[in-house]
Amino acid sequence: AQSVTQLGSHVSVSEGALVLLRCNYSSSVPPYLFWYVQYPNQGLQLLLKYTSAATLVKGINGFEAEFKKSETSFHLTKPSAHMSDAAEYFCAVSDDDKIIFGKGTRLHILP
Amino acid sequence: GAVVSQHPSWVICKSGTSVKIECRSLDFQATTMFWYRQFPKQSLMLMATSNEGSKATYEQGVEKDKFLINHASLTLSTLTVTSAHPEDSSFYICSARRYRVDGYTFGSGTRLTVV
Repeated sequence: AQSVTQLGSHVSVSEGALVLLRCNYSSSVPPYLFWYVQYPNQGLQLLLKYTSAATLVKGINGFEAEFKKSETSFHLTKPSAHMSDAAEYFCAVSDDDKIIFGKGTRLHILP
Repeated sequence: GAVVSQHPSWVICKSGTSVKIECRSLDFQATTMFWYRQFPKQSLMLMATSNEGSKATYEQGVEKDKFLINHASLTLSTLTVTSAHPEDSSFYICSARRYRVDGYTFGSGTRLTVV
C-alpha cells in the first residue's frame, strides 16, 4: 500500500524567501513521485517527477525536489518565492496502477 | 507535451437529471484514464480507473451505477453522473496516462453544481 504525507496544510513565506514544502511517502515498490500545483478552479499542473533516475529533480518555475530514500522524503524547494507561486501543492506517489495524492499544502506568499 | 482536454469546465443542472463530462487526450493515446472528485479545500479523491475497452474499476464507496464511466477509445473517456443530486455538486477532474513513467496529465476540471 502506498501513502503520502504532506507536513503543513498551510505554509507562508515572504516574497524572495526560500520555499520548502515537505512530503514523505511510503511505498511497497520503488516509487514514482510527483509534485503538482493547482490554481483555483483549475486542474493539476505537473511541476516535476522522480522516476528512479537522478535523485535531484528540477522542474518548472524554478522548483526542484530531492528524493531521499533513507528518509522516504521528496521535499519541494524553490530558492526565491514569487507572488505567482501562491497556490495549492500536491505531492503524489504512484505504482503501476494508480496515483495517490497527499492532502495538499496551501502556499501563501507574503509581500 | 501531453495535453488533456476536459469538457465542460462548468455545468449547472437540475436535480434528477444526468450530466456527461468528457475527457480527451489530445496528442497521445491514453491506455489508462482516471476520474477524481475534489471537495473544497481538499485533496483529490480517486473515484475510478478505466482502461480502454474494459470496464472501469471503482474505488470503495463509489457508486458505479451513479457514476458511469466509459472509455471507448484510447483518447476519450466519459463520466456520466446519473440522477444528480445536490450532494453530487463538486469539482471533477480527469487524468490520463500512457505509461507509468510518463506520469499523469490532468484535465482542467469540471465544476458541477446541482440545483
